[in-house]
Amino acid sequence: DIQMTQSPSTLSASVGDRVTITCRASQSISNWLAWYQLKPGKAPKLLIYKASSLESGVPSRFSGSGSGTEFTLTISSLQPDDFATYYCQQFNTYSITFGQGTRLEIK
Amino acid sequence: QVQLQESGPGLVKPSETLSLICTVSGGSISSSSYYWGWIRQPPGKRLEWIGSIYYSGSTYYNPSLKSRLTISVDTSKNQFSLKLSSVTAADTAVYYCARQAIISYAVDIWGQGTMVTVSS
Repeated sequence: DIQMTQSPSTLSASVGDRVTITCRASQSISNWLAWYQLKPGKAPKLLIYKASSLESGVPSRFSGSGSGTEFTLTISSLQPDDFATYYCQQFNTYSITFGQGTRLEIK
Repeated sequence: QVQLQESGPGLVKPSETLSLICTVSGGSISSSSYYWGWIRQPPGKRLEWIGSIYYSGSTYYNPSLKSRLTISVDTSKNQFSLKLSSVTAADTAVYYCARQAIISYAVDIWGQGTMVTVSS
């Protein structure tokens, strides 16, 4: 299994801040990486697929980058609706694993 | 737009079989562009992929669950289902059904999730 490690586990930030979350894979996954936003009681939301492609309808303040084993999700200017938990997910040879999540909280 | 809805018992006894159904509305499960899958999240833990199925019936499963797992599809009802046998408390989780795009293997549509508790 490919292990996915996110950092940090918790991030405190303010509205308007630029924040970056990192996801590292235990081996190369090319660009088969997605990012999701989870909020309690709501269906998870796809933000980024294939490492850097913005899902339709997702605000442009979200961006993704990276390839191989290191990836980042950046939110350029935090909005109140962005405080949530974020997960990365990899796909490799018909196996899928998720990172442990990053909880983004209001400072 | 396409929506997914999970249904099934919220409480299952240890050693029994957990069964859930996902109903797809607003689109066809027989689309060649998607897999249909199950993902769960135990309390306080990370998301865990369970397995996925194509409309033709071909599947791929999480190796750690494979011996207990059956995922099937019913194209006539636009549904797919999950059966997980010999459950224990470790199988207590929120279970999501999901649509997975083949071009990206990302889950672009999720159900709202259903809590399943394994307890006697």
